[in-house]
Amino acid sequence: GAVVSQHPSWVICKSGTSVKIECRSLDFQATTMFWYRQFPKQSLMLMATSNEGSKATYEQGVEKDKFLINHASLTLSTLTVTSAHPEDSSFYICSAQSWQENTGELFFGEGSRLTVL
Amino acid sequence: GIQVEQSPPDLILQEGANSTLRCNFSDSVNNLQWFHQNPWGQLINLFYIPSGTKQNGRLSATTVATERYSLLYISSSQTTDSGVYFCAVETRDDKIIFGKGTRLHILP
Repeated sequence: GAVVSQHPSWVICKSGTSVKIECRSLDFQATTMFWYRQFPKQSLMLMATSNEGSKATYEQGVEKDKFLINHASLTLSTLTVTSAHPEDSSFYICSAQSWQENTGELFFGEGSRLTVL
Repeated sequence: GIQVEQSPPDLILQEGANSTLRCNFSDSVNNLQWFHQNPWGQLINLFYIPSGTKQNGRLSATTVATERYSLLYISSSQTTDSGVYFCAVETRDDKIIFGKGTRLHILP
């Protein structure tokens, strides 16, 4: 199957700083990537859809100035949590659609656990 | 928007038992996938199954798109099967929506 790599796996930062999370499709090109947030023992909540070369589409209630998404190439999307606060602490997961077998099957990165002090 | 409901929410079984997990969705979808989230948070692809039946070892899945449900079967459960099982659907407007998951505990 296709491989998606997410980095960093863990990050601890001080309140007020910004954190960038990278999501890479390693063996396929992904025109569309998705960013999710997951709270403990809950499901994945879609934050935004990232499209290569265009602006991301944010879900209702997600602040686009808070969560900056950039999809500058067909293999890389980044999520920047700006001016992070403790309530932003969460598990962030990216995914990418692979059309290698004409299915659009979704593959996930390992996730990034953010702790804001 | 579309509703994706999974049942049961929690399931505790003895090693060796079989189980059936269900995913209902409220509208037509482009496709459906099943995932297993391990204790470290990694989502593992199990099946891409917009319709029909697939099998992979002890796991199999069936989606009946016309009746808007999918089933995941796990046979001869092992402790390593523990974790959370999610179904996710791609909506007609190309969004991926997850169910709330089924938390499976396999006891040794």
